[in-house]
Amino acid sequence: DAGVTQSPTHLIKTRGQHVTLRCSPISGHKSVSWYQQVLGQGPQFIFQYYEKEERGRGNFPDRFSARQFPNYSSELNVNALLLGDSALYLCASSTTGVGANVLTFGAGSRLTVL
Amino acid sequence: AQSVTQPDIHITVSEGASLELRCNYSYGATPYLFWYVQSPGQGLQLLLKYFSGDTLVQGIKGFEAEFKRSQSSFNLRKPSVHWSDAAEYFCAVGGSTNAGKSTFGDGTTLTVKP
Repeated sequence: DAGVTQSPTHLIKTRGQHVTLRCSPISGHKSVSWYQQVLGQGPQFIFQYYEKEERGRGNFPDRFSARQFPNYSSELNVNALLLGDSALYLCASSTTGVGANVLTFGAGSRLTVL
Repeated sequence: AQSVTQPDIHITVSEGASLELRCNYSYGATPYLFWYVQSPGQGLQLLLKYFSGDTLVQGIKGFEAEFKRSQSSFNLRKPSVHWSDAAEYFCAVGGSTNAGKSTFGDGTTLTVKP
């Protein structure tokens, strides 16, 4: 079975631009979470979606948004990019109940903002 | 608020030596605790998890961790380290009240000397 897949793997943008990152969860997983990992730090929670509804939001500005589609895949959108948005963006999927806490991560999308 | 502290930023051990990585957490209810490993340029892989029951949990790759409620700790151990264990290790806390929204420490980088 395929794991969590993310695209693109690497991308370079300039300040002020917009970016869309995509994630496909493990088959059967209905929950998708997004994390930002800045170099030298642990992942920081951005969003969680379950059954196409936002179930949680971390301490990120409104420039960050996300959505989940009927097939449970997800997009993370970041507007008006800043240099500080340069990071590895990780998507994780999980099941329900207690299993919702067991995150399976993708390899991430490395965003560089110049 | 929940938080995780990994006191050791970088640890170096010789191949074949034992390993202990420290993790302290803060969480207002019964915590769910996790250890993940991240190789360079990769996503995070779950090593082991604690939800309840036996406080000594076994994981993959020969790792184990012990939950000590009185010390708010969840230290990771391995009796004999292999060169392939060199990576970054993250401790995380979650719980039933915020499933899918784990809080991570800033990680410990493990270097293995031949």
